[in-house]
Amino acid sequence: EVQLVESGGGLVQPGGSLRLSCAASGFTFSSYWMHWVRQTPGKGLVWVSRINSDESVTTYADSVKGRFTISRDNSDNTLYLQMNSLRVEDTAVYYCVRGAVATPKGWFDPWGQGTLVTVSS
Amino acid sequence: DIQMTQSPSSLSASVGDRVTITCRASQSISIHLNWYRQKPGSAPSLLIYAASSLQSGVPSRFSGSGSGSDFTLTITGLQPEDFATYYCQQSHSIPPTFGGGTKVEI
Repeated sequence: EVQLVESGGGLVQPGGSLRLSCAASGFTFSSYWMHWVRQTPGKGLVWVSRINSDESVTTYADSVKGRFTISRDNSDNTLYLQMNSLRVEDTAVYYCVRGAVATPKGWFDPWGQGTLVTVSS
Repeated sequence: DIQMTQSPSSLSASVGDRVTITCRASQSISIHLNWYRQKPGSAPSLLIYAASSLQSGVPSRFSGSGSGSDFTLTITGLQPEDFATYYCQQSHSIPPTFGGGTKVEI
């Protein structure tokens, strides 16, 4: 069974840092583009970042560029999101999502269960 | 960024009904349009990809159509588990963007 399990969410003060992890299983992790998508009640679903299979290409939403870093460990089947200089508006449920194999374009399937990040003083 | 506009934002329906949700892109996206269902308390799950292809394991009551900038998701014979929120998403260009969602309620 293809599975993605996020961890690392929690409560952090504005300006703080947090690292999210996503453990992948049931598929050849090293072959796929991987993404982070976040969801808030007010702004809905928003794509955050993507990384290609060998980490040579990373892309970020303008809202997190320069503050967040996506990375992966193909030997450990794990995706990461390092979040620095966190803002109140980064509060959201963060989902780890599998993309496509050969193209950065493509649908998102499956999704992890999500991890809640709350930025508040 | 490509803006995705869904309508309606919510609708009321009954078990067995036929439901249609529309999604409009702010520019042509060919067939790079995907649909997701999100049940309360759960993550979104893929229903339809590339505008009209049914994801493996998804019931055949779900269908998608459209190309260019106008797309439709149809549910024929609404089931209790279909009372949920539906999102469209364009994968034509970066950043991928989502519609605002359509909540299907009893």
